[in-house]
Amino acid sequence: GQNIDQPTEMTATEGAIVQINCTYQTSGFNGLFWYQQHAGEAPTFLSYNVLDGLEEKGRFSSFLSRSKGYSYLLLKELQMKDSASYLCAVRGDNDYKLSFGAGTTVTVRA
Amino acid sequence: GAGVSQSPRYKVAKRGQDVALRCDPISGHVSLFWYQQALGQGPEFLTYFQNEAQLDKSGLPSDRFFAERPEGSVSTLKIQRTQQEDSAVYLCASSSLAGGYEQYFGPGTRLTVT
Repeated sequence: GQNIDQPTEMTATEGAIVQINCTYQTSGFNGLFWYQQHAGEAPTFLSYNVLDGLEEKGRFSSFLSRSKGYSYLLLKELQMKDSASYLCAVRGDNDYKLSFGAGTTVTVRA
Repeated sequence: GAGVSQSPRYKVAKRGQDVALRCDPISGHVSLFWYQQALGQGPEFLTYFQNEAQLDKSGLPSDRFFAERPEGSVSTLKIQRTQQEDSAVYLCASSSLAGGYEQYFGPGTRLTVT
């Protein structure tokens, strides 16, 4: 089975940095994805990690350690529009099925 | 349109009714996925198509759920004899590659069973 854990909620101030952690135990590993989902909207792709290390894309970065079953998403220079749910998803021992965590709701305050 | 579209966006059904949810993937996308998302949870995999072939239906909760993609483009998820526990958002996603790297999601259909 797949077990993916992430915190339920986080709050941060506009302009600050927030780090969302994700730990996973899955049967096989073929990549880890982060998605952003605003309330009532579709999840949108943020990042993909398959090798250990940090991937940086503008204000967002994602890190992966396969040996620890651990990833984080780093959001820098937070903006009000970053208030959303952030979903961690793992592709397991096949090359198509994503298993999602429950999501972390980030609230950005002025 | 450029993205994945789904219809209807909202559906209210009385318990026991049948419903059909439609997904129009991005044109040319080989892979199509259906997910079920309960309130406050992440999406749960239901089924996967590669072109018209349904390669995985292991996530369908019961035999009341049926999905098809007869011509390898539009897909329909049908739920027979709906139950209250079927209330959820049903998300469709498509990908240009067989295998589904970077899945593009539609806005979902919110199903409420009363």
